[in-house]
Amino acid sequence: DGGITQSPKYLFRKEGQNVTLSCEQNLNHDAMYWYRQDPGQGLRLIYYSQIVNDFQKGDIAEGYSVSREKKESFPLTVTSAQKNPTAFYLCASSRRQGPGGELFFGEGSRLTVL
Amino acid sequence: QKEVEQDPGPLSVPEGAIVSLNCTYSNSAFQYFMWYRQYSRKGPELLMYTYSSGNKEDGRFTAQVDKSSKYISLFIRDSQPSDSATYLCAMSASWPWVGGSEKLVFGKGMKLTVNP
Repeated sequence: DGGITQSPKYLFRKEGQNVTLSCEQNLNHDAMYWYRQDPGQGLRLIYYSQIVNDFQKGDIAEGYSVSREKKESFPLTVTSAQKNPTAFYLCASSRRQGPGGELFFGEGSRLTVL
Repeated sequence: QKEVEQDPGPLSVPEGAIVSLNCTYSNSAFQYFMWYRQYSRKGPELLMYTYSSGNKEDGRFTAQVDKSSKYISLFIRDSQPSDSATYLCAMSASWPWVGGSEKLVFGKGMKLTVNP
């Protein structure tokens, strides 16, 4: 079945540590996205990538980094510079052209900083 | 004024009720309107997608867009306990939905509980 796989589902981190969240898709989508979701808030865009080896900052990129070395993979690193990293992180992908370009989301990764 | 406003609820209804979920927006350039459903601890999934104004029906779900009032609605008929989820509206001025001025803007989500 095609879809987006995020791992790990739950992650605990000590302050000062970097963590990397994995996102893999087998939908052959060009565009991939990382969102952050906090209670009572909408989805906020962290980073997005339209093609391999290219990515752009979203609205809240500070303290995060990404890479896009393969079409199917878009890992997110939460660095120690991120002041409030405890959140639910969602990876998504979409086609870049044509009709019906809906976002397909993974099941999310919940990061808790202890 | 925020670009997209959505009443966060929560909303609790008895099984079989008609549910109305609403969002207002301020950006008159928005043309693509979506409703996503998100079950607890899961990622959102697209429920309805509408381009420009008008109504769209899919089974028990109807999406309405009123661009003159900058108002969109999702109606759920004969609501079921399985409809219990958070519903997020989303909209954009253009496709593809990437960043900058073309980004997809989400409402905060409305938590719906349908009681058996």
